[in-house]
Amino acid sequence: AQTVTQSQPEMSVQEAETVTLSCTYDTSESNYYLFWYKQPPSRQMILVIRQEAYKQQNATENRFSVNFQKAAKSFSLKISDSQLGDTAMYFCAFMKSWSGAGSYQLTFGKGTKLSVIP
Amino acid sequence: EADIYQTPRYLVIGTGKKITLECSQTMGHDKMYWYQQDPGMELHLIHYSYGVNSTEKGDLSSESTVSRIRTEHFPLTLESARPSHTSQYLCASSPLSGTGRDTGELFFGEGSRLTVL
Repeated sequence: AQTVTQSQPEMSVQEAETVTLSCTYDTSESNYYLFWYKQPPSRQMILVIRQEAYKQQNATENRFSVNFQKAAKSFSLKISDSQLGDTAMYFCAFMKSWSGAGSYQLTFGKGTKLSVIP
Repeated sequence: EADIYQTPRYLVIGTGKKITLECSQTMGHDKMYWYQQDPGMELHLIHYSYGVNSTEKGDLSSESTVSRIRTEHFPLTLESARPSHTSQYLCASSPLSGTGRDTGELFFGEGSRLTVL
């Protein structure tokens, strides 16, 4: 079974600054996907960024980028130029890659509550 | 904005009542999910479906049931609500890849917040 650990329950950052959210995971799988999801207060959860484990290049989406360290099983999210709209719960998630029969569901971490301070 | 809708957004009911939480998506996604989430906490998968007439239980034991008669509709029913069912319920859908494989890219509804007195 996979586990996903987010060790920072809450964080805060000044507007326009950079912040990094941590995520570690434990798996015996060699091929998998990692995700960061964002849940703003009272709004829909949305996918922020996705990383395929076989790709060495770190994924980026505008101000959001990841630092994927496969050997260390670490998958941190960096938010540059933080904006007030970045205030949200951020969830790290894991899913194994297709390998035949079996369950392919996301395993979520407990989340990190990020507050962007004006 | 994702085209996935949940109703009701908020519901307060008494113990023993039967309730159905509705979820509909217009994206034609094959896979749909129900998650339970207490405020500010992690998500727990309670049901999922790969398509019409396919339903599976998730990791978290739940007294709820689901049905998938149409691709776009995935309602969740509690036959007899109890205070322990008080929580937020999130519906989500995801496309399968061209080869029918999970993508992990979920589109979520806004949630249904249930309070059972």
